[in-house]
Amino acid sequence: GQNIDQPTEMTATEGAIVQINCTYQTSGFNGLFWYQQHAGEAPTFLSYNVLDGLEEKGRFSSFLSRSKGYSYLLLKELQMKDSASYLCAVRDQSGGATNKLIFGTGTLLAVQP
Amino acid sequence: DTGVSQDPRHKITKRGQNVTFRCDPISEHNRLYWYRQTLGQGPEFLTYFQNEAQLEKSRLLSDRFSAERPKGSFSTLEIQRTEQGDSAMYLCASSPTSGRFYNEQFFGPGTRLTVL
Repeated sequence: GQNIDQPTEMTATEGAIVQINCTYQTSGFNGLFWYQQHAGEAPTFLSYNVLDGLEEKGRFSSFLSRSKGYSYLLLKELQMKDSASYLCAVRDQSGGATNKLIFGTGTLLAVQP
Repeated sequence: DTGVSQDPRHKITKRGQNVTFRCDPISEHNRLYWYRQTLGQGPEFLTYFQNEAQLEKSRLLSDRFSAERPKGSFSTLEIQRTEQGDSAMYLCASSPTSGRFYNEQFFGPGTRLTVL
């Protein structure tokens, strides 16, 4: 089966660093994605990892360990606008070349002044 | 091109009615996906098209749901005999099959369906 776990909620302070963890179990793994979703809006792409290691993009970094089924999203220098839901998603190709994404429930991050 | 568009943005209907949603993907994106998202949950995969071919349907997609992409461009999602449990945000996404953005799915703003 497929299972993706991430914390439901997190709170952090403006200017600080926060790490959002994600663990997954899935067949046909072909990459892990992080999306940001503000309330009432569409998810927007943040990062993609298919090999082990860290990918850095500005204030955002994402890490993947395939052997552990583990990823994290690191947000630095937090800003109030970073308050949003962060979705961990795994690309599943067990059904062929679908490239469908299997999402976790999302982590609602609240950034406080 | 301004991204994936969906129409309508909001739809309120009575139980038992049929509804149809439209998605216009980013031009030149061969792949098109439909997802459903309920409050507090991540999007759930419904179906996938490559060009006009529907290549996968989720078990979540009962026989009341049908999706088409007749010319390989826009897509429609129809729900027949709506039920209150169909109330959700219906998201459309598209992606190219090659190039720099090959690994990204670009999401539209969604259609929020409320079944009374």
